[in-house]
Amino acid sequence: EDQVTQSPEALRLQEGESSSLNCSYTVSGLRGLFWYRQDPGKGPEFLFTLYSAGEEKEKERLKATLTKKESFLHITAPKPEDSATYLCAVAMKTSYDKVIFGPGTSLSVIP
Amino acid sequence: GAVVSQHPSRVICKSGTSVKIECRSLDFQATTMFWYRQFPKQSLMLMATSNEGSKATYEQGVEKDKFLINHASLTLSTLTVTSAHPEDSSFYICSARKTGVKETQYFGPGTRLLVL
Repeated sequence: EDQVTQSPEALRLQEGESSSLNCSYTVSGLRGLFWYRQDPGKGPEFLFTLYSAGEEKEKERLKATLTKKESFLHITAPKPEDSATYLCAVAMKTSYDKVIFGPGTSLSVIP
Repeated sequence: GAVVSQHPSRVICKSGTSVKIECRSLDFQATTMFWYRQFPKQSLMLMATSNEGSKATYEQGVEKDKFLINHASLTLSTLTVTSAHPEDSSFYICSARKTGVKETQYFGPGTRLLVL
């Protein structure tokens, strides 16, 4: 069964304390993996798309990496404004349109 | 850019009435748009995929006669919740994929529906 899981479910960091969020997937052929940020009561905001193992992308304090089984979202020296839910989603080769979302990691950065 | 708007942002209606939600891609053309539903503290659940000029494809368990989707142009898709009931109360989010660009979906801000 195609599945996307994320860990931890919630993460509380002190400002400046770097950490990583994990997204693990078991799908029948990966076409792309996406990271989104979602603030309460708002739609997800696109962060990154990764297509193949070994690929990395960076944006400000965020860096996303991809292996054949999982992806990590590394947050370096986070600030309170980085507090949000981070969603991982996977597009599969077997279905052109369908994207499976993980349950998300709720990140809180304490000043 | 890739800006997607939704209207209204929140709506309260009486049970039995119908509600229409609009999703627009403001600065790009979107052959394909998607409608999701999100319950509190849960992830997004795909309801249907909407292709411009053709019938929407609904996910298993989603009633197509209850959730009417129309994708009349490359920048507009609408979701109509017909004969809404309290259990339809939820956060509805649309997304759009740029024509000719693979995979990445850009999301709207969402519509909060409350059915009394």
